[in-house]
Amino acid sequence: QLQLQGSGPGLVKPSETLSLTCNVSGGSISSRNYYWGWIRQPPGKGLEWIGSIHYGGSTHQKPSLKSRITMSVDTSINQFSLKLTSVSVADTAVYYCVSGTYSVFGLDYFDPWGQGTLVTVSS
Amino acid sequence: YELTQSFSVSVALGQTARITCGGNNIGSKNVHWYQQMPGQAPVLVIYRDNNRPSGIPERFSGSNSGNTATLTISRAQAGDEADYYCQVWDSSTVVFGGGTKLTVL
Repeated sequence: QLQLQGSGPGLVKPSETLSLTCNVSGGSISSRNYYWGWIRQPPGKGLEWIGSIHYGGSTHQKPSLKSRITMSVDTSINQFSLKLTSVSVADTAVYYCVSGTYSVFGLDYFDPWGQGTLVTVSS
Repeated sequence: YELTQSFSVSVALGQTARITCGGNNIGSKNVHWYQQMPGQAPVLVIYRDNNRPSGIPERFSGSNSGNTATLTISRAQAGDEADYYCQVWDSSTVVFGGGTKLTVL
């Protein structure tokens, strides 16, 4: 059964880069059936998709965040990563790593989700 | 593209709850639903309009037509109290609804 475990620093200073990683177990990150992604949730608010990446390199990103996002996949250690540059207080959120499927229409549903990592942006 | 959900829905114990997700011609898209318990990660409860992942009770069902998708929870239980989010793919972007808080009375 596929399981995701996210990790990263809980505190990042404004203007710096947020870096998160997600370890995949119970399956191969090189599976062509999956996209690997990130979704965040500010405290007390709803869900916001950040972006998704296929191990082959194809990516989809939220347009408003695209200029600040870098996603990567490391197949040797079954891990994928997110970097978000120039963070501000507005980027404070719980960040979830997710496994996603896709269809002929595009990205599909997300299952499973990692446990979530709270990242606070503060000086 | 926007998805509109009611902020909250209440249902009496054992009755049927219906949570709606509105969007322009949403019936032409695949709609997915997630349940989020307090302090926990979301869990997929319905995918592609009306499919249940393994482990999700048959009490959960979905429909999608026209401008409204609906998540139906039959015989509501106290353990169903949670936030519920709908999600679609549109114009190369993943879109989530704002979420609906379900209260079981």
